[in-house]
Amino acid sequence: QKEVEQNSGPLSVPEGAIASLNCTYSDRGSQSFFWYRQYSGKSPELIMFIYSNGDKEDGRFTAQLNKASQYVSLLIRDSQPSDSATYLCAVTSFGNEKLTFGTGTRLTIIP
Amino acid sequence: NAGVMQNPRHLVRRRGQEARLRCSPMKGHSHVYWYRQLPEEGLKFMVYLQKENIIDESGMPKERFSAEFPKEGPSILRIQQVVRGDSAAYFCASSLRGSTFGYSNQPQHFGDGTRLSIL
Repeated sequence: QKEVEQNSGPLSVPEGAIASLNCTYSDRGSQSFFWYRQYSGKSPELIMFIYSNGDKEDGRFTAQLNKASQYVSLLIRDSQPSDSATYLCAVTSFGNEKLTFGTGTRLTIIP
Repeated sequence: NAGVMQNPRHLVRRRGQEARLRCSPMKGHSHVYWYRQLPEEGLKFMVYLQKENIIDESGMPKERFSAEFPKEGPSILRIQQVVRGDSAAYFCASSLRGSTFGYSNQPQHFGDGTRLSIL
């Protein structure tokens, strides 16, 4: 079992719709959760981070965390073509600084 | 530029040569991390450093790879006697601090990376 799992996609979403990206993790000691966006040939860009169960909203982005189910998600509202990228879920544990990444979900927004 | 600075952006080496990759963290950040992204693969942790200290090198290959973060100057990732399998994008990230009692892990911000190609 992979430590951090994501559907590789591609996930195609019409422009203006909600894109939902999912991530599960295996380590119950995981404490901090991050979403990065990576355009092809570019570096990962931090989109959201969440530490506590529940929802965290920032503009069009909402991160959701459920530690009991070991599940974290990213919602993108009013999807734009510029949101087309690979979205990486990453996890760390307390006292362990290394980010463990999923393989990413490729998202395509269809105009 | 207040972001994480990496150089060179592209580096070409022949098999057997040495590669040196540099990283200057964001202003005010004292924690540096190196990750490698092989073609069509995910990002993998290599090493975590603070000034003059290697904190976690659990992701570093046992041979040919080394890293440092001196008191003055950038962090250096050094690959000796490069082989074709070393071809990858190497990313450096930095954070304000690591997790301490009562605080969660700080977000890591990435540089633009160094694309290493081995001929």
